[in-house]
Amino acid sequence: EPEVTQTPSHQVTQMGQEVILRCVPISNHLYFYWYRQILGQKVEFLVSFYNNEISEKSEIFDDQFSVERPDGSNFTLKIRSTKLEDSAMYFCASSEWEISYNEQFFGPGTRLTVL
Amino acid sequence: ILNVEQSPQSLHVQEGDSTNFTCSFPSSNFYALHWYRWETAKSPEALFVMTLNGDEKKKGRISATLNTKEGYSYLYIKGSQPEDSATYLCAPMYSGGGADGLTFGKGTHLIIQP
Repeated sequence: EPEVTQTPSHQVTQMGQEVILRCVPISNHLYFYWYRQILGQKVEFLVSFYNNEISEKSEIFDDQFSVERPDGSNFTLKIRSTKLEDSAMYFCASSEWEISYNEQFFGPGTRLTVL
Repeated sequence: ILNVEQSPQSLHVQEGDSTNFTCSFPSSNFYALHWYRWETAKSPEALFVMTLNGDEKKKGRISATLNTKEGYSYLYIKGSQPEDSATYLCAPMYSGGGADGLTFGKGTHLIIQP
């Protein structure tokens, strides 16, 4: 069964460094998402992406975040200058159609630790 | 800020017993409700997408009902098994959904005791 994959599974970085989290969505899906979960808190929506542009973003997704689909398969989340509070589990998801009636398929997540 | 409440926060159930838990959400402009199961160290997995008032969906021993007028959904698990241990998340969506992200509740953490 097709699945969303994410790399790396765990990333450790120093505060102020840039990180890029990578995702390979399911191949025929058109909508892509990033979420994060800070330990002990809710899973929070960051950004959605469709047709090579951001469709919606939350308040969390400020100027230090960016997303890109550099080729036909990868979907990346870049954090330009990491802060301690960026430490979280980051999940990528994709859906075939608009999410309203269709499920999102989640990847296994990347645990980001900022020291 | 969308107020999505799930209760209880955690639940211990004996294997073989049935159980249920609740997702409450604002009913105004409601569009759809998503239920996800999230096992430790795995990806959240979609269970149901529900849209109509009175909707009932079933997948094996798990079922869910929806009341859009009062803004709640129940998830039922019949004859709990150890593999049902997981966090169950709900996420309502509202008019204008499209490519909007999901707003999850904090989840109900279910532990099935053998």
